[in-house]
Amino acid sequence: AQTVTQSQPEMSVQEAETVTLSCTYDTSESDYYLFWYKQPPSRQMILVIRQEAYKQQNATENRFSVNFQKAAKSFSLKISDSQLGDAAMYFCAYIVENNNDMRFGAGTRLTVKP
Amino acid sequence: ETGVTQSPTHLIKTRGQQVTLRCSSQSGHNTVSWYQQALGQGPQFIFQYYREEENGRGNFPPRFSGLQFPNYSSELNVNALELDDSALYLCASRRDHYNEQFFGPGTRLTVL
Repeated sequence: AQTVTQSQPEMSVQEAETVTLSCTYDTSESDYYLFWYKQPPSRQMILVIRQEAYKQQNATENRFSVNFQKAAKSFSLKISDSQLGDAAMYFCAYIVENNNDMRFGAGTRLTVKP
Repeated sequence: ETGVTQSPTHLIKTRGQQVTLRCSSQSGHNTVSWYQQALGQGPQFIFQYYREEENGRGNFPPRFSGLQFPNYSSELNVNALELDDSALYLCASRRDHYNEQFFGPGTRLTVL
């Protein structure tokens, strides 16, 4: 059963604007890690940002930031100042501490309009 | 530092055949995981190898098997191929139990 839900199959953003991609997940564990991966047409899965569940502070990597709401099991990705190169499939994923099974959502296809 | 590499890039097989996919992990990484990504879906965990032993398995039948070698490279073998096995197969490596995985570019398998 799918335990990561990305409710937006497709999103579109104007270049230089901001877009937020949604993700919710379901786990009964308390120690886990959350990730956003980007998969361009080249197919290579690239790590965008990661968040440790025990950290309350939201992770930030340059133009990418997350809004992590542990109680709501929500982990959204905000992309600021969108660039044409940001166009790709974005996957939300999590892995439980001391587990091997990384669970992925079905992905959100992001289009960036010039 | 060399990243994760996979071979071949593309592969076409017929139903009932057997296939072997290969993965070279990133330097210093001793853990390799394999994922199946069907078209339009997110990756699904097949299994993981740690220091040459299978160390976790997803919901895949026994005809999906693997190996890890002393240099930490890995193979995924699939027997008795079915049409539904058509997918992108991704390999990812990491160091020990550190949770950041680095993915290879994948092998696109088509089963006719």
